[in-house]
Amino acid sequence: EAGVTQFPSHSVIEKGQTVTLRCDPISGHDNLYWYRRVMGKEIKFLLHFVKESKQDESGMPNNRFLAERTGGTYSTLKVQPAELEDSGVYFCASTITTNTGELFFGEGSRLTVL
Amino acid sequence: DQQVKQNSPSLSVQEGRISILNCDYTNSMFDYFLWYKKYPAEGPTFLISISSIKDKNEDGRFTVFLNKSAKHLSLHIVPSQPGDSAVYFCAASALWGGSEKLVFGKGTKLTVNP
Repeated sequence: EAGVTQFPSHSVIEKGQTVTLRCDPISGHDNLYWYRRVMGKEIKFLLHFVKESKQDESGMPNNRFLAERTGGTYSTLKVQPAELEDSGVYFCASTITTNTGELFFGEGSRLTVL
Repeated sequence: DQQVKQNSPSLSVQEGRISILNCDYTNSMFDYFLWYKKYPAEGPTFLISISSIKDKNEDGRFTVFLNKSAKHLSLHIVPSQPGDSAVYFCAASALWGGSEKLVFGKGTKLTVNP
């Protein structure tokens, strides 16, 4: 069974440009999360989808970040326009049930904003 | 303010000895505590968890201890193996904002020397 896959693995863009990150969760996992790790800091929650609905987006830093999960399958996270502080590793995770905290993480998409 | 703290950024042990990784938390509402293991360029992988109503959970070489009165948990690895070398993240799970989400510590880099 395929795990959580993320694309691209690394993206380098200029400040002010747009980047879209994609996540394909494990098949059948209704719950999809985005987390971010900025260098040297902890991994932080961004948002949570249940199927195609945003259950909680309280961790999104600002309105430059837009996440979608059309059809309840894959998800995209768009940053527009990107700022220097957006650099970090963006992790996607999925799970069937949420009540134990066990998530299956992808390898992450590293974003570097110059 | 950090709700989950891992005060040791790194730990080095000899193969065959015990590794003890520590974690402190501040929020009494957490219902699960988890340890995730992360290799370079990979996503975090779930290792072991413990419910807030228990004080110990064991899985092979890995044991997690929870001391609720001290708001402290630890991960014991016995015996340590070189393949255990990785970054270990302590995480706590709670339901708030309508979503079960994880709060992570900054991680402890474990190096097991042959």
